[in-house]
Amino acid sequence: QKEVEQDPGPLSVPEGAIVSLNCTYSNSAFQYFMWYRQYSRKGPELLMYTYSSGNKEDGRFTAQVDKSSKYISLFIRDSQPSDSATYLCAMTAWRSGGSNYKLTFGKGTLLTVNP
Amino acid sequence: GAVVSQHPSWVICKSGTSVKIECRSLDFQATTMFWYRQFPKKSLMLMATSNEGSKATYEQGVEKDKFLINHASLTLSTLTVTSAHPEDSSFYICSATPQGTSGDEQYFGPGTRLTVT
Repeated sequence: QKEVEQDPGPLSVPEGAIVSLNCTYSNSAFQYFMWYRQYSRKGPELLMYTYSSGNKEDGRFTAQVDKSSKYISLFIRDSQPSDSATYLCAMTAWRSGGSNYKLTFGKGTLLTVNP
Repeated sequence: GAVVSQHPSWVICKSGTSVKIECRSLDFQATTMFWYRQFPKKSLMLMATSNEGSKATYEQGVEKDKFLINHASLTLSTLTVTSAHPEDSSFYICSATPQGTSGDEQYFGPGTRLTVT
């Protein structure tokens, strides 16, 4: 079983739709959860960052974490064509023997928002 | 804030030659920099972690003699792909963690596309 599972899609929605993106994980040591947006041929851009179970809202984006179920979600309200990108979930756990956090990514979900 | 740049953005080289990629944190000092590799339609794979002034820590399966990493200052890390081969063609992305943060926030560069012919 992979540490982080993410449905690669592709996901296609009409403009204005609510988008739900999800990841599951198996490693209980994961403490911090992030969502990144990556446009084609660009580096990932940090969208949301959270470390506790519950919801975190930032504009049209809501990140949800359920540590008991090992499940995280990203909701996008009023989706726009400019939201079309690959969305990557990522998680970190303190790395044993070191002082750095290792980021573990999902495979990414390709989202297309059609005007 | 938290801008990371990479240079070059795209490079083509011949098989057997070496290529150096630079990663710079433009508006912050980076305690740690990370190097990733990404294949088409695949996720990012961590190659190595580097701290300023220390030897890089490589992930299992990554050849440290092939992928040389130098972290000379708090704003610059370089990745040199030595004796490049076509299978090294990929998208290489660096990230940096700002000094003074807990270490779990990483800001990514725009990536460098390497094509080895």
